[in-house]
Amino acid sequence: DAGVIQSPRHEVTEMGQEVTLRCKPISGHDYLFWYRQTMMRGLELLIYFNNNVPIDDSGMPEDRFSAKMPNASFSTLKIQPSEPRDSAVYFCASSFVGSGNTIYFGEGSWLTVV
Amino acid sequence: QKEVEQNSGPLSVPEGAIASLNCTYSDRGSQSFFWYRQYSGKSPELIMFIYSNGDKEDGRFTAQLNKASQYVSLLIRDSQPSDSATYLCAVNKAGTYKYIFGTGTRLKVLA
Repeated sequence: DAGVIQSPRHEVTEMGQEVTLRCKPISGHDYLFWYRQTMMRGLELLIYFNNNVPIDDSGMPEDRFSAKMPNASFSTLKIQPSEPRDSAVYFCASSFVGSGNTIYFGEGSWLTVV
Repeated sequence: QKEVEQNSGPLSVPEGAIASLNCTYSDRGSQSFFWYRQYSGKSPELIMFIYSNGDKEDGRFTAQLNKASQYVSLLIRDSQPSDSATYLCAVNKAGTYKYIFGTGTRLKVLA
């Protein structure tokens, strides 16, 4: 089975530009998570969905960040406008309650904002 | 107090020794506990999970949970240089599927 698929793997963009990160969860999984990882703050949960519905977005840093999950096989995390402090690795992850809630991570999207 | 705390390390152990990694958490209602390993430049990968008090063994790895002390640990027996990585503890917030990660402990196994 394919794992969690994220794109792009690497992105370098200029401050002020819009960034869209994409994620395809593992088929059959009913939870989807977006995490951000930096050296200073570690792995932070930004938002998570259950059956395509956002459950908790309290980790979204500010209004510049938004996330959607239009269907069970696709989610986006958008940053508009981007700032240098948004530079981080963004991980998408998914889980299935029936599998013991184990979270499976994608390979991450490495974002650099210059 | 952080929700999930780990010593950042690095923890250095000689090859063949037992590595002991520790994690404390603040939410008394937490029910699910996970250990992930993350190699530099890679994504976290699951080592094991534990839900009940006591020990759970899987190969060279043993997870230990003490809910009264709000403490979970991971023991790695016969440590190998390939075990050198950052180990992340994850805990759910009570009553939710929201998983909070510690900042990780960097382990170095010296050949």
